[in-house]
Amino acid sequence: GEDVEQSLFLSVREGDSSVINCTYTDSSSTYLYWYKQEPGAGLQLLTYIFSNMDMKQDQRLTVLLNKKDKHLSLRIADTQTGDSAIYFCADHTHGSGNTGKLIFGQGTTLQVKP
Amino acid sequence: EAGVTQSPTHLIKTRGQQATLRCSPISGHTSVYWYQQALGLGLQFLLWYDEGEERNRGNFPPRFSGRQFPNYSSELNVNALELEDSALYLCASRRGAVNEQFFGPGTRLTVL
Repeated sequence: GEDVEQSLFLSVREGDSSVINCTYTDSSSTYLYWYKQEPGAGLQLLTYIFSNMDMKQDQRLTVLLNKKDKHLSLRIADTQTGDSAIYFCADHTHGSGNTGKLIFGQGTTLQVKP
Repeated sequence: EAGVTQSPTHLIKTRGQQATLRCSPISGHTSVYWYQQALGLGLQFLLWYDEGEERNRGNFPPRFSGRQFPNYSSELNVNALELEDSALYLCASRRGAVNEQFFGPGTRLTVL
């Protein structure tokens, strides 16, 4: 079935780049998303990429998609302490019609040290 | 533009009771999604409403139900509450064909 996997924890120093990785299983994925969740808050949509794209850049965020390996990454340039949060990768598939649902990974906790 | 709103922020119930959670989507959004974020289980899809109809539901028992009103707001009802229903319940609304789902702040349900 559909599955999305992420590593659970990443620690970086302020000013460094952060790279959060995600793998997914569904070959019919159409859109892949990155969400950010700060403590006690809901999910904030950061960016998304359509499955026929390899890369998308949005200010400090760069998304890379390797469709052959079903691998997605989010790079945050010049990471700041305010970037400390949980980052979720999510997959929207059209497998057997538009189900509407997103399949989320377990979330990667990003810790940014001053 | 106002975001997705949810009420109440926190809800405390006891086992066997019923809980009602509410969600107002972003103006102009007609689809509403509900997700459960339980400790150790991650984010799981619960329900999808569009134009007043239930379009899809996740792998949850029938005591999880809901509805969508003519103004596109939505209600999630959980009957016969169990301890494991304690979680953050997130509502999202959708814009367009890209399926960008925008989330509200959530309702923290605690079942004692």
